[in-house]
Amino acid sequence: AQKITQTQPGMFVQEKEAVTLDCTYDTSDPSYGLFWYKQPSSGEMIFLIYQGSYDQQNATEGRYSLNFQKARKSANLVISASQLGDSAMYFCAMRDPGYSGGGADGLTFGKGTHLIIQP
Amino acid sequence: DSGVTQTPKHLITATGQRVTLRCSPRSGDLSVYWYQQSLDQGLQFLIHYYNGEERAKGNILERFSAQQFPDLHSELNLSSLELGDSALYFCASSLDTSTDTQYFGPGTRLTVL
Repeated sequence: AQKITQTQPGMFVQEKEAVTLDCTYDTSDPSYGLFWYKQPSSGEMIFLIYQGSYDQQNATEGRYSLNFQKARKSANLVISASQLGDSAMYFCAMRDPGYSGGGADGLTFGKGTHLIIQP
Repeated sequence: DSGVTQTPKHLITATGQRVTLRCSPRSGDLSVYWYQQSLDQGLQFLIHYYNGEERAKGNILERFSAQQFPDLHSELNLSSLELGDSALYFCASSLDTSTDTQYFGPGTRLTVL
């Protein structure tokens, strides 16, 4: 069974500081994908970044980067130079293909981290 | 804007009723996924359709069903509604069934009174 753990229910960060949001995962499948989504107070789910289990390089998308440590099964999101608009819920999610063990192939989400950026 | 559309945005109904939520995927995407987000259960995968066929089921109740039509839009049918079905229902789409990124629609907020 898959599991995603986000240990930080909430974080307060000063504007312009870098932020690291923690995510650990558990899967027995060698092929999987890891995702981060942002959910502002308006409710929509916004895709931020993706890391494949076989990717050699850590993923980066603008101010977002993913610190992927496969042996530790961690996929932490790093936001550089945080902005007030970064205040939101952040969800880590995992997808496995589903064909190796009969699991469903939807995303499994963590409980999220509520990030608040303070001016 | 993800390109995924969902209607209606809000829905208020009574226990025992049946509702239909609609989703149109991004242009060119063949896969549609449905998720439920509630305070107690968090975000849960319900069901996945690919090019008109059911591909995988997650934690979907028997009272719930879905389908994907030839034009690739999808509907999620919720019947015999209970108070606990109140939640935000998301549709997501992706190009294929592999590790493609899933792009989420704005969601339908269902309130069961």
